[in-house]
Amino acid sequence: EVQLVESGGGSVHPGGSLRLSCAASGFTFSSYWMSWVRQAPGKGLEWVANIKQDGSEKYYVDSVRGRFTISRDSAKNSLFLQMNSLRAEDTAVYYCAILLRAYYFDYWGHGTLVTVSS
Amino acid sequence: EIVMTQSPATLSVSPGERATLSCRASQSVSSNLAWYQQKPGQAPRLLIYAASTRATGIPARFSGSGSGTEFTLTIGSLQSEDFAVYYCQHYINWPPYTFGQGTKLEIK
Repeated sequence: EVQLVESGGGSVHPGGSLRLSCAASGFTFSSYWMSWVRQAPGKGLEWVANIKQDGSEKYYVDSVRGRFTISRDSAKNSLFLQMNSLRAEDTAVYYCAILLRAYYFDYWGHGTLVTVSS
Repeated sequence: EIVMTQSPATLSVSPGERATLSCRASQSVSSNLAWYQQKPGQAPRLLIYAASTRATGIPARFSGSGSGTEFTLTIGSLQSEDFAVYYCQHYINWPPYTFGQGTKLEIK
């Protein structure tokens, strides 16, 4: 059974940093593109970043480029999102997802809440 | 950036009836479109990809159609568990991937 379990969320002041993790199991992690998608409270879905199987390609939504870094560790079957210079508008539930063939989000984790507030 | 627009924002339908949800792209996305279902407090679930192909384990009452800029998700004979929010998403010429704003399907 595919499982994606996010962790690392919490409350942080504007300008602060957080590192999200996603532990993957039940599939061959190194064979799939992976992605982060977020959802602000009461709002819709927003793609944040994705990373190729070997980490050689990374893409970001404009609003986080230069502040967020996506990475992966295939030895640990884990996906990460380093978030720096956080803003109030980054407040959201962050989901880890398998991005099948770099096209659509096949499986999703349960999400982890990030709150940026003074 | 391709803008995805869903209509209506809220759709009220009685159990057992059919629901039709629409998604429009600001430019052609060919058949590079997916649909997701999200229930309160849960992660989204993939329903449809390639505009009309059901994902694994999705019941046959869910069907997708369309290409280019106009797409439809049809749910035949609504069950209680189908009342949720539905999102469309394109995956042509990414990044970025963009989602529609969602349609809330509620019980009439």
